Amino acid sequence: GAVVSQHPSRVICKSGTSVKIECRSLDFQATTMFWYRQFPKQSLMLMATSNEGSKATYEQGVEKDKFLINHASLTLSTLTVTSAHPEDSSFYICSARTGQGAYGYTFGSGTRLTVV
Amino acid sequence: GESVGLHLPTLSVQEGDNSIINCAYSNSASDYFIWYKQESGKGPQFIIDIRSNMDKRQGQRVTVLLNKTVKHLSLQIAATQPGDSAVYFCAENMNSGYSTLTFGKGTMLLVSP
Repeated sequence: GAVVSQHPSRVICKSGTSVKIECRSLDFQATTMFWYRQFPKQSLMLMATSNEGSKATYEQGVEKDKFLINHASLTLSTLTVTSAHPEDSSFYICSARTGQGAYGYTFGSGTRLTVV
Repeated sequence: GESVGLHLPTLSVQEGDNSIINCAYSNSASDYFIWYKQESGKGPQFIIDIRSNMDKRQGQRVTVLLNKTVKHLSLQIAATQPGDSAVYFCAENMNSGYSTLTFGKGTMLLVSP
């Protein structure tokens, strides 16, 4: 089946630094990928939709200059958290559309970001 | 029994019991619904889906029921096992899967041996 690989699984960074998270589709091409953020004991909240070769579409309230998304190829989307602060600590999850229907969305394994 | 925590409702059952997890969805225009299982520290895993032209769909040990009149979705898990312990989310979608997913609040299922 379709697999989405997300790295790193865990990262700890200092306040003020930037962190890059990668999301790769391993055996299919993904023109559209999605980035979610999940706080403890809460649901997944969509941050942005990443489109290959064009600008990402951000959800209301998500700072596009802080959460930089690049989708330069059909198999790779990256999310860069710039000038990270402790309140950015969260679980970030990517997903990709694999087509219509039952297995239309495949999720990565998530990245636990801790900003100290 | 079921309890509502600060953010995540919890359903506690014994191994072998049948579990029912409920979800109220928000958009009457949604036409495609998916149940996901999320284990701690992992991404969501697909369990079962249903389209709005159906009211019931069965999989292996799982059944999803859809009531569009009251915008309610349920997931029934038969003979619940300790390995079923996880957080379960419903997600809704429009345009037969082509729009973005909107996730529900989630329910934590705890299965005791």
